[in-house]
Amino acid sequence: DGGITQSPKYLFRKEGQNVTLSCEQNLNHDAMYWYRQDPGQGLRLIYYSQIVNDFQKGDIAEGYSVSREKKESFPLTVTSAQKNPTAFYLCASSISYGGNSPLHFGNGTRLTVT
Amino acid sequence: GDSVTQMEGPVTLSEEAFLTINCTYTATGYPSLFWYVQYPGEGLQLLLKATKADDKGSNKGFEATYRKETTSFHLEKGSVQVSDSAVYFCALSRSNTGKLIFGQGTTLQVKP
Repeated sequence: DGGITQSPKYLFRKEGQNVTLSCEQNLNHDAMYWYRQDPGQGLRLIYYSQIVNDFQKGDIAEGYSVSREKKESFPLTVTSAQKNPTAFYLCASSISYGGNSPLHFGNGTRLTVT
Repeated sequence: GDSVTQMEGPVTLSEEAFLTINCTYTATGYPSLFWYVQYPGEGLQLLLKATKADDKGSNKGFEATYRKETTSFHLEKGSVQVSDSAVYFCALSRSNTGKLIFGQGTTLQVKP
């Protein structure tokens, strides 16, 4: 079955360390996204990529970095510059970057930084 | 800027009760509207969508109608089940940007 795989499900890090969250899709989708979910705040867009080798900042990109070297992979690095990194991170993809293309989500990675 | 506002939760209902979760939006032009559902510990799944005014999206007994005159997209279900307990997100997207804007989510708890 096609889908989006995020790993690991839970991740723990010490403050000051960079950490990379994995996101892989086998849906052959061009567009991929990273969202951050905090209680009571809905989802906020961190970065998105419309196509391989291209990515754009979302609403809360500071302290994060991404790469899109392969169509199926869109890893997110949470750097030590991110002031409040503890959150639930969701990766998504869509057939194309456009208003009517629904997003398919992975099951998320819960990151805890202490 | 564009925004989505949902009714605050949690919403607690008994099984077989009627469900309404209110959603209103602010946007220029003609956005597409979506409802996503998130079950505990999982990512979001598309529940239904509508792409133009007066369209009705429906899936799994849930319905929502795109009302441009009231800028609303309220989610309804005639008879909820315990398995419907989840967080429901209303969202909009404009075709010229592709960016999806989410409401804050409404938690639904259905008791047997």
